[in-house]
This record gives sequence, structure tokens and C-alpha cells, in this order.
Amino acid sequence: NAGVTQTPKFRVLKTGQSMTLLCAQDMNHEYMYWYRQDPGMGLRLIHYSVGEGTTAKGEVPDGYNVSRLKKQNFLLGLESAAPSQTSVYFCASGAREKLFFGSGTQLSVL
Amino acid sequence: SQQGEEDPQALSIQEGENATMNCSYKTSINNLQWYRQNSGRGLVHLILIRSNEREKHSGRLRVTLDTSKKSSSLLITASRAADTASYFCATVAYYSGGGADGLTFGKGTHLIIQP
Repeated sequence: NAGVTQTPKFRVLKTGQSMTLLCAQDMNHEYMYWYRQDPGMGLRLIHYSVGEGTTAKGEVPDGYNVSRLKKQNFLLGLESAAPSQTSVYFCASGAREKLFFGSGTQLSVL
Repeated sequence: SQQGEEDPQALSIQEGENATMNCSYKTSINNLQWYRQNSGRGLVHLILIRSNEREKHSGRLRVTLDTSKKSSSLLITASRAADTASYFCATVAYYSGGGADGLTFGKGTHLIIQP
């Protein structure tokens, strides 16, 4: 089993560009999450989903949109990237008692 | 806002020694979890302790929980070079967007095991 797979692994954007990060899980989990990790800040929850077709805001949702059209996929979109969105993005799936994480996407916005 | 805070921020010890890191949290919890993150990788779940438990073991890991002090500790015994990583505590957070469905993490303790 692949577990949680994130694509792409690295990306460089110019300010104002848009992009979508894809997260796929093969564990049939209902819950999926997007976190960002910045130096000295730990992980902060951006958005999450408790099932297909549902999404909810986390701690730092501004500037991001998400969609969960299929149970196994959770997409994170940046409509107009800003330098403040330079970060490492992690997707996770699972339940409140155990999360499985992807290996991360390193995003730089110039 | 972050629920848990780890202490110390960084810890460097010799291989074979024990490593202890602490986590303090703010509100009542049902359980507390510890995760490990190796450099450049995603987090890996280590252990969960429930609010009605005081101590839990898993291999070389020992976790304690003191709900009266809102604190937890993670002890790694007989440390190895492969234990070099960042360690995070996590608790359930409540968000206005939908309910108690997110895990919130502290900033982590960076552990370095020197050979």
C-alpha cells in the first residue's frame, strides 16, 4: 500500500500564480487534512474534510481552497499565491486517534 | 491557536542515554498523541495515551500523562542515532468550521543523538 501520496514534491511559483496540490490515500479513510509547516511554528491546520463532498476550515484557511470530490483524494488550491504561502505542506488522513502523513510538498513563492 | 507546547525546543544527548521531552496543553483532552518527524519527511504516529491513563509503554517509549497539570512526557530509553528527529505532541482541536475533527500540534522538540 502506498499510504498517503502527495504531488508534486517541490514547486516554485511566482506571486499571483495558481496551483493545486493533490493528496491521495488508499486506506479508505473518511478524514483528510491539509497542514502547513513553517520554521518555529510547528504544523498548522489549513482545511480538513470528514468525508466525500465535505470540507471545513482549520486554523489558517485564508488564501486556500479545498475540494473532496472523491473519498480518496483531497485537493488544496492556491488561487493567487503570495510569498507568505512559502511553506512545506503536508496532507494527512485517518481519524482523530491516528493520522498518516504524506511526505510533504515544498512550495516556494517568489 | 496551538494547544500543545513541547519543551525543550532542542535536546542533544549521547547515544545510549535516555531522552525526555515534555508537552503542556491548555484545555481538557480525551487523548494525547506523540509523533516523530525525520528530516524532510512526514510525521509518523508513535503512541496515544488516553485521558484515563497515567502511563503507557511501547518498546523503548514511555509516555506519561498528568491531566491535573495538563502535561505529558515522552521518554526514549537507550537512545540510538536513528532516534534523531523532531517529536511533536498532538491533541484534538475544536474549529468553528465543523467541530472537533482536527489535531493540533506543538512546535516540537528537535532531538539529536550524538554517536
